[in-house]
Amino acid sequence: DIVMTQSPDSLAVSLGERATINCKSSQSVIYSSNNKSYLAWYQQKPGQPPKLLIYWASTRESGVPDRFSGSGSGTDFTLTISSLQSEDVAVYYCQQYYFTRWTFGQGTKVGI
Amino acid sequence: QVQLVQSGAEVKKPGASVKLSCKASGYTFSSYAMQWVRQAPGQRPEWMGWINAANGNTKYSRNFQDRVTITRDTFATTTYMELSDLRSEDTAVYYCARVQGQYYYMDVWGKGTTVTVSS
Repeated sequence: DIVMTQSPDSLAVSLGERATINCKSSQSVIYSSNNKSYLAWYQQKPGQPPKLLIYWASTRESGVPDRFSGSGSGTDFTLTISSLQSEDVAVYYCQQYYFTRWTFGQGTKVGI
Repeated sequence: QVQLVQSGAEVKKPGASVKLSCKASGYTFSSYAMQWVRQAPGQRPEWMGWINAANGNTKYSRNFQDRVTITRDTFATTTYMELSDLRSEDTAVYYCARVQGQYYYMDVWGKGTTVTVSS
């Protein structure tokens, strides 16, 4: 299985400041046939299911604020929150769907 | 709107089985696959299995291969996940989630069903 490792495990960011979360996969999640990165990002708040934010590494899901952005390719990916809002306090997970044995990172807790 | 409504919380004894349901609405049921994902307290989500809602084909995580069965009822637009031989470590929240493109990311999630395994 592909192992997903996030860093850091937690971070504290002031309101209005930038938050950056990293995700590394144990092998490349790019398919050469379409040059797409099979990587998604989810946000999870306490007592709620994960919510899809980003797919194909950088495509924002409909309705997701544009302060959320995804980047990266191959094995290294980044989720950036450009200006942290109070409602962004949550745990963020990366997930690969390159192999149909879907795996998630261990999560990064973002607080203020 | 697109919704996945899951069945209520369960309390089971070790060795028992549990069968959870996930009713879909607001979209063409057979056009999307469904996943089951569980999350133990404080842990990352863990993929359990996948079902093609159109033909019933399934794929299971090696971690649950012999204990999990996923089925669907297209007329009821409902997916089921049965987990047998329950252990205390199966205590978790169990989610169903719709899969985009049959094999891609999960774009709609149910609210989850809490399963507690305790003697």
